[in-house]
Formats: sequence, C-alpha cells, structure tokens
Amino acid sequence: DAGITQSPRHKVTETGTPVTLRCHQTENHRYMYWYRQDPEHGLRLIHYSYGVKDTDKGEVSDGYSVSRSKTEDFLLTLESATSSQTSVYFCAISESGAGGIKNIQYFGAGTRLSVL
Amino acid sequence: DQQVKQNSPSLSVQEGRISILNCDYTNSMFDYFLWYKKYPAEGPTFLISISSIKDKNEDGRFTVFLNKSAKHLSLHIVPSQPGDSAVYFCAASARTQGGSEKLVFGKGMKLTVNP
Repeated sequence: DAGITQSPRHKVTETGTPVTLRCHQTENHRYMYWYRQDPEHGLRLIHYSYGVKDTDKGEVSDGYSVSRSKTEDFLLTLESATSSQTSVYFCAISESGAGGIKNIQYFGAGTRLSVL
Repeated sequence: DQQVKQNSPSLSVQEGRISILNCDYTNSMFDYFLWYKKYPAEGPTFLISISSIKDKNEDGRFTVFLNKSAKHLSLHIVPSQPGDSAVYFCAASARTQGGSEKLVFGKGMKLTVNP
C-alpha cells in the first residue's frame, strides 16, 4: 500500500464552520491531489499540487483552498462549509505529472465529511 | 460535460464467467487510460492501464481493450471471482495547459460477482 494517511477519517460539522482535511504521504512523491466522490458525479478533482507551495485548481475548486508547505503534507480547507460539500474526500499521490505509468495515482482511504 | 462515460451503473455476473466493463470517452487528446477498483470504505486502487498507442494490455485475469476510432475501452475479467465485486472506475489522462497530466474519471460501475 502506498503510504498515504488521511485525517480525520470521519467528520461531522455545521454549516458555516471552517474545516481542514489533512493528507500525509511517506512516498516523497511530487504530485498530490484532492478529489471528492459523489454518486452522481464519480470522482472529481478539486485541487492538485505539483510541488511545495505549487498548487492549481481542478474541476470543482470553488469553496475550497489548499496548502502544501512540506512535500509530505497537503491540506484541504473548506473556509465556510456548506451542505453541498457533504461528500467523501480522497487524497491521491503520483510520482510524476508527465503522463504514462508514472502518472498512476495512488489513493488514501478517504474522509467522510457531513455538513449539517 | 462528462468526458469519460460509464453508461451502465451496475453489472451482475456469475462466478467463473466473464465480466465486461465498458467506458466511452469524448476527448481525442487523452493519451493514457486506467481502471481503478474501489471497495466500500476504502480508496480506489489502481488495477490496469493502457497507452493510447496500444489496443490491448493484459495482466492476469484482467485485460483492457482500447478502440481509438470508437473512443471506447473495455475491461475484461476472466474468470470472475466474488472478490472482484467492487465499484470500477474508468479514468483517462489529459495534459493540462501547464504541461502536467490530470486524470478524468467516469462515474463508476458496480460489479457484483455471484457465487
């Protein structure tokens, strides 16, 4: 198993509160990603990082921010959580962003977030 | 606009038979395709991949076929086993404006293999 740890694994919060999810990797991979999984949409990319302090938006970035101050940690923050952000969030890592076999992404176990 | 489509939400097969999972895509710039398997309460795990320059890749019981002219790929599992019961995601790799590659996923399909 790729060394990816997501915390917390479950969280229940209230609308309007800030929430931060953490992804920690021990593989020293350059690329890290945050996805959300919803039944009607599958997996959608929120933000990704291609190095320390280098991040970019994905398909559904509105309402989310990220930070990467160390190679091993990638944080996802919901500044003011809304009910539409209730979802399962997955972190993923890849060795390279160059495509092909080195772009295979390895996923963490996920965080189930409920916003009431 | 769904660039990667898995039109069948579920499939049920008998143990020992073949499972065929289908995936269609719309973007001709995709250059790499992957299949992931996901069990409940776990993250997706990489299963098998294929480059756009090939039409077939085989790994044990799993074979992926790519038909570029039809923009279609399929995953064959032979023989199917109860442990294969999971949600399968098709994904395609696309190059971003910044030069890196991102994955675009389909909605997933639930496979149930009955003993």
